[in-house]
Amino acid sequence: EPEVTQTPSHQVTQMGQEVILRCVPISNHLYFYWYRQILGQKVEFLVSFYNNEISEKSEIFDDQFSVERPDGSNFTLKIRSTKLEDSAMYFCASSLDGYNEQFFGPGTRLTVL
Amino acid sequence: SQQGEEDPQALSIQEGENATMNCSYKTSINNLQWYRQNSGRGLVHLILIRSNEREKHSGRLRVTLDTSKKSSSLLITASRAADTASYFCATDAKDSNYQLIWGAGTKLIIKP
Repeated sequence: EPEVTQTPSHQVTQMGQEVILRCVPISNHLYFYWYRQILGQKVEFLVSFYNNEISEKSEIFDDQFSVERPDGSNFTLKIRSTKLEDSAMYFCASSLDGYNEQFFGPGTRLTVL
Repeated sequence: SQQGEEDPQALSIQEGENATMNCSYKTSINNLQWYRQNSGRGLVHLILIRSNEREKHSGRLRVTLDTSKKSSSLLITASRAADTASYFCATDAKDSNYQLIWGAGTKLIIKP
């Protein structure tokens, strides 16, 4: 069964460093998303992406964040200058269209020291 | 304001019993989705129910949706130890661009 994959599973970085989190959505899906979950807290929406552009973004998704679909398979989230409070589990998701199930990857645990 | 809120926050039952979890939300929705998360792991999609549906089944799962009360319930019948996890509802609000708004989840423990 097709699934969303994410790499790395765990990333440790120093405050102020740039990180790129990678995702491979399900191949025939057209909508892509990033969410995050700070330990012990709710899952929070970051951004949705369709047709090579951002559809919607939350207040969390400020100028330090960017997304890209550099080729036909990868979907990346870049944090330019990480802060301590960026430490969280980051989930990528994809859906066939905007009205159906969103399928999630296993997550990348980001630890900012 | 919080969109999805589950209750109870935690539920502990004996294996074989049924588990019911509830979710309330505030705005009009396109659909509501239930997910499971094992401790520290990924989010597994369980079931999606659309705003024009009232009930949906999938195996041992039964989901209801009452749009007049802005609430949904997830029933797991004949629970098993492997059902131990956190369960979240997530809503796709009508005025949003497909983003899912999440509740805080119900932590379900099935005692063998």
